Amino acid sequence: QLTQSPSSLSASVGDRVTITCRASQGMSRYLAWYQQKPGQAPKVLIYSTSTLQTGVPSRFSASGSGTYFTLTINSLQPEDFATYYCQQFNSYSLTFGGGTKVEIK
Amino acid sequence: QVQLVESGGGVVQSGGSLRLSCAASGFNFNTYGMHWVRQAPGKGLEWVALIWYDASDKYYADAVKGRFTISRDNSKNTVYLEMNNLRAEDTAIYYCGRRERSHVDLWGQGVLVSVSS
Repeated sequence: QLTQSPSSLSASVGDRVTITCRASQGMSRYLAWYQQKPGQAPKVLIYSTSTLQTGVPSRFSASGSGTYFTLTINSLQPEDFATYYCQQFNSYSLTFGGGTKVEIK
Repeated sequence: QVQLVESGGGVVQSGGSLRLSCAASGFNFNTYGMHWVRQAPGKGLEWVALIWYDASDKYYADAVKGRFTISRDNSKNTVYLEMNNLRAEDTAIYYCGRRERSHVDLWGQGVLVSVSS
C-alpha cells in the first residue's frame, strides 16, 4: 500500500513543491511518478525512483528509498497544476498511491 | 506515430459483458507486456491486469479475478479485456498501457465503461 501526502495542496507559480509517498513495507527502487491532468491519461514523469522520463522538464526530481519517497517540483509552472500519483511495482502488479492534487493558490 | 487507442466502452447493465480493445501502433507491439488500468469517476488509478508480451503469463487484480480476461493478438497489434458479470463498482475509465520494466511508459486515451444497476 502506498500513502501519498498531502492529498491536495495549493501553491503559486514559482513555488517549490514536495509530495511524499510512503510504502507500508520496504520496497525495491521501482517507484514511479505520474502526472494526470483533467480529462487526460496519466503521463510518467519519473521511474526507478529518480530517473527522469525523456522529455520531462528538469524542474521535476525525485528521490527516496525503503518506505519513503518524494517528488519535488522546482519553480512550479502553470502547466504543472495537475494530480500526481506514485506507483510501485511488485513482480507483476502495479500499486498506485491515492494521488496529490496540486492547485493554484 | 507511437500510440495506443482503446475502444469498446459503453453503458451496460449490471451482470452484463463488454469487450475492450486497445490497438497499438508505431512500435514493436509483440515485444511489450501490456497493462489495463482503470479509474473510477473522481477516484485514483487502479491496476486491473497484465499480459506478457507473448501471452505466456496473465495476472489480475483480486477485484476482477474470475470475471475479467486479458488477451492479445500480436498479428493485429491489439490487446483485449473481456469483462463479464459487470458490477456497478466496475464503472470507470479503462486505460491500456505499455509495460516498461516497472512502470507504464505509454498510455491510451482511455475508454469509459458505465455499469448501470
